[in-house]
Amino acid sequence: DAGVTQSPTHLIKTRGQQVTLRCSPKSGHDTVSWYQQALGQGPQFIFQYYEEEERQRGNFPDRFSGHQFPNYSSELNVNALLLGDSALYLCASSLGPGEEYTQYFGPGTRLTVL
Amino acid sequence: KQEVTQIPAALSVPEGENLVLNCSFTDSAIYNLQWFRQDPGKGLTSLLLIQSSQREQTSGRLNASLDKSSGRSTLYIAASQPGDSATYLCAVTAPQPNAGGTSYGKLTFGQGTILTVHP
Repeated sequence: DAGVTQSPTHLIKTRGQQVTLRCSPKSGHDTVSWYQQALGQGPQFIFQYYEEEERQRGNFPDRFSGHQFPNYSSELNVNALLLGDSALYLCASSLGPGEEYTQYFGPGTRLTVL
Repeated sequence: KQEVTQIPAALSVPEGENLVLNCSFTDSAIYNLQWFRQDPGKGLTSLLLIQSSQREQTSGRLNASLDKSSGRSTLYIAASQPGDSATYLCAVTAPQPNAGGTSYGKLTFGQGTILTVHP
């Protein structure tokens, strides 16, 4: 059983560009959450997707947007990249959107903005 | 606003020592607390999850305790090994504002403790 997968593994962009990160949830999971982890910090919640809708959002600007597809996979899009967007982006999936469901994390995508 | 703090930021111990990692949170209205392990540049692996009604959980050499009223949790690692070297993160889920009591599974993390166990 494949766990949560993310692509690409690493990505280098320049300021002002746009980027799309992808996540495939664990088999049977219908909920995907995205987190940003800056170097030396704990992950910060970006948003959660369930039933193809954004259900909850953290303290991130509108430059961060997402999408969930009918097969439950998800994309994270970041526009107008800033140097401060450099981070490890983690995707987590779960059987449902609530606190009773354990979240399983993917290996992350390392984004570097130059 | 829920804030999670972990002490110490870094810890270096010789192999075989027992050690304790600390986690504190500012709002005691949590649903659960979870401890994760993160190897360098990698994703997170869940180690232990404690529900708010529980006092502790054990898995192998790991034991996590929760004192919700004081806003504290500890992760105890017995007989540490070099393979335990990693960053350890704690995270809580709590009711979200204007969300009818649900957390949406949102995890609020501490900044982590970097553990090094040397042979």
